Amino acid sequence: DAMVIQNPRYQVTQFGKPVTLSCSQTLNHNVMYWYQQKSSQAPKLLFHYYDKDFNNEADTPDNFQSRRPNTSFCFLDIRSPGLGDAAMYLCATSRDKVGGYFGPGTRLTVT
Amino acid sequence: QQQVKQSPQSLIVQKGGISIINCAYENTAFDYFPWYQQFPGKGPALLIAIRPDVSEKKEGRFTISFNKSAKQFSLHIMDSQPGDSATYFCAASARATGTASKLTFGTGTRLQVTL
Repeated sequence: DAMVIQNPRYQVTQFGKPVTLSCSQTLNHNVMYWYQQKSSQAPKLLFHYYDKDFNNEADTPDNFQSRRPNTSFCFLDIRSPGLGDAAMYLCATSRDKVGGYFGPGTRLTVT
Repeated sequence: QQQVKQSPQSLIVQKGGISIINCAYENTAFDYFPWYQQFPGKGPALLIAIRPDVSEKKEGRFTISFNKSAKQFSLHIMDSQPGDSATYFCAASARATGTASKLTFGTGTRLQVTL
């Protein structure tokens, strides 16, 4: 019954060591989003894919990259994680204007 | 103009009471207003949503009231239960041509329902 799946649920990485978070969806939604959420804050949109088109938010650091190899999967790459990148990373999907449906998130810890 | 203002920041309600969370927006292009419920360590879950052509939508104990002229909308939780204790986010999005719509979130309300 899972709709938006994120792996891993918890990720610990070292300062500066690249890390990849993954998201998959069974909803066949054409839009996939990546959000960063820090404690007691609202989710902050990093970027999204509309079909194959990548859309970056203006204030998303270059340190964050994304890949969408097919409709079902999307990856978030953090090239050189800093302590300030420790957060919950949320993947969400939507079909055009409806939604979005969020995954359970990946809690990233940077040591 | 893109902001969605949410209040209160935190709310304590007794079991069986009514929880009310308010949001206000400026951007008249917004045409979709969802509410999300988030438990600690979990992703936000879509609770209920409304479009501006209706003034109220009810799903079980949850009701959205929408006032288009005032650019305000609110979430009412009737017969609040301890299991409703969570953070609630309002959000809004506008139609986008040729690309995906994006949600603008309120700052969140932490609801605690006491016994």
